[in-house]
Amino acid sequence: EAGVAQSPRYKIIEKRQSVAFWCNPISGHATLYWYQQILGQGPKLLIQFQNNGVVDDSQLPKDRFSAERLKGVDSTLKIQPAKLEDSAVYLCASSLRQVTEAFFGQGTRLTVV
Amino acid sequence: KQEVTQIPAALSVPEGENLVLNCSFTDSAIYNLQWFRQDPGKGLTSLLLIQSSQREQTSGRLNASLDKSSGRSTLYIAASQPGDSATYLCAVWENFNKFYFGSGTKLNVKP
Repeated sequence: EAGVAQSPRYKIIEKRQSVAFWCNPISGHATLYWYQQILGQGPKLLIQFQNNGVVDDSQLPKDRFSAERLKGVDSTLKIQPAKLEDSAVYLCASSLRQVTEAFFGQGTRLTVV
Repeated sequence: KQEVTQIPAALSVPEGENLVLNCSFTDSAIYNLQWFRQDPGKGLTSLLLIQSSQREQTSGRLNASLDKSSGRSTLYIAASQPGDSATYLCAVWENFNKFYFGSGTKLNVKP
């Protein structure tokens, strides 16, 4: 079974630039999550989708972050404009439905300089 | 708000030792608890999922227990190996759609 795919693996941008990350969840998984993991900390939920609807985006900095889930499958997370403090690993995860086992992708390591 | 704490933050043991990692959470009304492993520069690998009605789950040398009433879970690793070196994270489903992580325990198993 294919896992959660994310791209790119690494990205370096200057502050105030924009960047986008892509996630393809496990086939058939209705729930998709984006997490931000700052070095030395546990992942923090940014946004959760159930199919193509947003379930929770309470911790998403909406002035600069946006996310969408196309047709309830792939998802993109965008940052515009980026700040130095956005440097982190961005993890995508999916689960069959809510409260079931979550599976994570390899993550995208973002460095903002 | 649910808070998940993992102690210790780091642990170093010699190969072959049995060890216990701890996870505590402040709100006992959880649905599930999941343990993950994270290798440097990598994503999270799911180890064990314990549903709220269960007391423990086992997979190979790993055993995870859950005590909802006290807000605690432990991950027991038997006969540790250098390949077990990684950061171990626990996460809880507080309700149907909120999933909170601890900050992890970084384990180093010395050959």
